[in-house]
Amino acid sequence: DSGVTQTPKHLITATGQRVTLRCSPRSGDLSVYWYQQSLDQGLQFLIQYYNGEERAKGNILERFSAQQFPDLHSELNLSSLELGDSALYFCASSAAGIGELFFGEGSRLTVL
Amino acid sequence: GQNIDQPTEMTATEGAIVQINCTYQTSGFNGLFWYQQHAGEAPTFLSYNVLDGLEEKGRFSSFLSRSKGYSYLLLKELQMKDSASYLCAVSGGYNKLIFGAGTRLAVHP
Repeated sequence: DSGVTQTPKHLITATGQRVTLRCSPRSGDLSVYWYQQSLDQGLQFLIQYYNGEERAKGNILERFSAQQFPDLHSELNLSSLELGDSALYFCASSAAGIGELFFGEGSRLTVL
Repeated sequence: GQNIDQPTEMTATEGAIVQINCTYQTSGFNGLFWYQQHAGEAPTFLSYNVLDGLEEKGRFSSFLSRSKGYSYLLLKELQMKDSASYLCAVSGGYNKLIFGAGTRLAVHP
């Protein structure tokens, strides 16, 4: 158990819909990262937050947005969903933005 | 930009040694990580190199050459449970980890 909690674990929805994925980092970790992993693909970096502020952005679509709240949990919002958005979405956290990333179990999104 | 290359697939025999290579080109470098990922599961940390040389941790070792943009992960005494994907990742600015596509290792009896 990495200490990073993601909900929901599984989500099935339809094209055009909007979903929110939630992540609680390890106790004490200030940095939160979101990654997307499509079937048989590598981990694609989406976005990073540090203590509530956006720190780095990757290939995140405009239909996607994220935020980190004062209690350090983070949410990833995916809107106008398309079939190609079906993937595993991982959240990870690290202490003070350095060193090893600890990954949650992921949220598996299926868009039908 | 950043580019990380590693072989797509490898096979090996139980009890043997396997070396998984990774080459990278990045605009910033704060270290190189190796993660293991079983299908459908979360990646788990294996090793971290920030200085040139070899880091050994049990059956797993990782090597880094910053001047060559090259790393490898060495797995000894392979076990069936080592069948997994091995992800090479480079840490750039703000500890953002950029991952390679991963190497799928199949260990056969």
